[in-house]
Amino acid sequence: AQSVTQPDIHITVSEGASLELRCNYSYGATPYLFWYVQSPGQGLQLLLKYFSGDTLVQGIKGFEAEFKRSQSSFNLRKPSVHWSDAAEYFCAVGARDDKIIFGKGTRLHILP
Amino acid sequence: GAVVSQHPSWVICKSGTSVKIECRSLDFQATTMFWYRQFPKQSLMLMATSNEGSKATYEQGVEKDKFLINHASLTLSTLTVTSAHPEDSSFYICSAQSGAGNTIYFGEGSWLTVV
Repeated sequence: AQSVTQPDIHITVSEGASLELRCNYSYGATPYLFWYVQSPGQGLQLLLKYFSGDTLVQGIKGFEAEFKRSQSSFNLRKPSVHWSDAAEYFCAVGARDDKIIFGKGTRLHILP
Repeated sequence: GAVVSQHPSWVICKSGTSVKIECRSLDFQATTMFWYRQFPKQSLMLMATSNEGSKATYEQGVEKDKFLINHASLTLSTLTVTSAHPEDSSFYICSAQSGAGNTIYFGEGSWLTVV
């Protein structure tokens, strides 16, 4: 069965520190992978996506993610977080013409 | 835990007809619901933000007369695709939130096929 797991419900990091948000998926075929961010009162915003090719994907706002097929992971990283990065982050998996499945989200808190 | 239910999961309708998709929060009051659309191999596209008791806020380029959104209660929002055309065929998904900054829950999505 298809599934997406974000093992961390909440993560707190200090401003300026590095960040890694974990995402593991279960999918029978080659997946399309997404990371979205949702700030309070806003809709989802796409940070980055992986369809094929280079497994290290660069996104907006300084985020990147690495697709590791052997680990079924697509972790999101940022070398130095800013207070404005505090939000909820969702990993999602989908495939061509198939529905998209979301993880339960990770709430990122930033300490000043 | 909280669950957001979307119904129907799959629907096929004829061109020119209207179809309604429901998004229901089962054990919490959703003051805000979001409606998204996904095209194959694309990311989600936010269609509109729906706040209970007020008119939905549509994103630029989304036809509000075609995609009618009603959020009449704190547990139900509906998306009605009016005069459906084959190009409206897509995957529609909603999310619900009980208040700004609170946890966001996603429905399982609804596949619409217009023939």
